[in-house]
Amino acid sequence: EPEVTQTPSHQVTQMGQEVILRCVPISNHLYFYWYRQILGQKVEFLVSFYNNEISEKSEIFDDQFSVERPDGSNFTLKIRSTKLEDSAMYFCASSPRTDQETQYFGPGTRLLVL
Amino acid sequence: GESVGLHLPTLSVQEGDNSIINCAYSNSASDYFIWYKQESGKGPQFIIDIRSNMDKRQGQRVTVLLNKTVKHLSLQIAATQPGDSAVYFCAEKPPSNTGKLIFGQGTTLQVKP
Repeated sequence: EPEVTQTPSHQVTQMGQEVILRCVPISNHLYFYWYRQILGQKVEFLVSFYNNEISEKSEIFDDQFSVERPDGSNFTLKIRSTKLEDSAMYFCASSPRTDQETQYFGPGTRLLVL
Repeated sequence: GESVGLHLPTLSVQEGDNSIINCAYSNSASDYFIWYKQESGKGPQFIIDIRSNMDKRQGQRVTVLLNKTVKHLSLQIAATQPGDSAVYFCAEKPPSNTGKLIFGQGTTLQVKP
């Protein structure tokens, strides 16, 4: 069964450093998303991406965040200058198309900013 | 602001009993709802979904009920098993073509053997 995959599973970084979180969505899906979950809290929407551009972003997704689909398979989230409060689980999700809205989530990347 | 809430943070049931997990959503225009299961250290796993033009949908051992009048969603799990122990989130999709989901706080389901 196709799955969303994410790398790395864990990332530890120093405050102010840049990190890139990588995702490989399910291959025939067209819509891609990033969400985050701070420990013990609910999952929060960050950004949705379709047709090589951002279709919606949340207020969390400020100028330090960016997303990219550099090739036909990868979808990345870059955090330019990490802050302590960026420590969270980051989930990538994908869905096939607008009339099939079920989003399938990857296993997540646990980011720890020290 | 937008919010999706859950009535109980923890639900403890005996193995074999039925479980009911509730959710209140805030946006009456939301047109799609999903229940996800999240096990420790893993990503949310799709369980079942329902569109706003339906009141009930059944899957294997799970049923989702939607009451639009009171903006309430519930997940019923029949014959709960130890493997059902997890955190359960409801999520709503406000009307848009961007796919953004708004998640609730989560209910921890504990199944006692």
